[in-house]
Amino acid sequence: QLQLQESGSGLVKPSQTLSLTCAVSGGSVSSDDYSWSWIRQPPGKGLEWIGYIYHSGSTYYNPSLKSRVTISVDRSKNQLSLKLNSVTAADTAVYYCARWSYDNGMDVWGQGTTVTVSS
Amino acid sequence: EIVLTQSPGTLSLSPGERATLSCRASQSVSRSYLAWYQQRPGQAPRLLIYGASSRFTGIPDRFSGSGSGTDFTLTISRLEPEDFAVYYCQQFGSSPWTFGQGTKVEIK
Repeated sequence: QLQLQESGSGLVKPSQTLSLTCAVSGGSVSSDDYSWSWIRQPPGKGLEWIGYIYHSGSTYYNPSLKSRVTISVDRSKNQLSLKLNSVTAADTAVYYCARWSYDNGMDVWGQGTTVTVSS
Repeated sequence: EIVLTQSPGTLSLSPGERATLSCRASQSVSRSYLAWYQQRPGQAPRLLIYGASSRFTGIPDRFSGSGSGTDFTLTISRLEPEDFAVYYCQQFGSSPWTFGQGTKVEIK
């Protein structure tokens, strides 16, 4: 059974770079059938799509974050990563990775990791 | 950007009652690319419905989805205690993908 586990820096200073990884187990990040997405949820608020990386390696980002975000895949480690630079307090959120396909939507989610931006 | 507006914001119901949740899009969404998620407190969202009306694996048949174009509905036929949660609709047919703001189903 596919499982996703996010990890990374829980506390980031303003203007620095947020770096997270999502370890994939029970399946391959290289699967041609699926792509991978990042989503975040500020405290007490709703869900915001950050972007996704297609199985071909193409990336698509939310225009509101596009200038600051990079999503990539490390096939040797079977994981995906998220980098968000120049963070502010508005980037404080729980960050989730999810498997995605056009057929099913986001069908497997990680448990999420909390990132706080504070000096 | 397609804006999804969910209503009501909060639904107060008793176990056993029927819940009807609405998701209205600012422009037409392909049925194929409309999904519903459930989020319980402290947990990650989980997929309930994809393709507007298809139940995901393991989802009880008391959950059903319907709609097309700009109006979509999630119905829970008889609320169980574990169904009290927040529900989000999402479209992924047009970039940027967007979520509704959520409907909280609470115990009356």
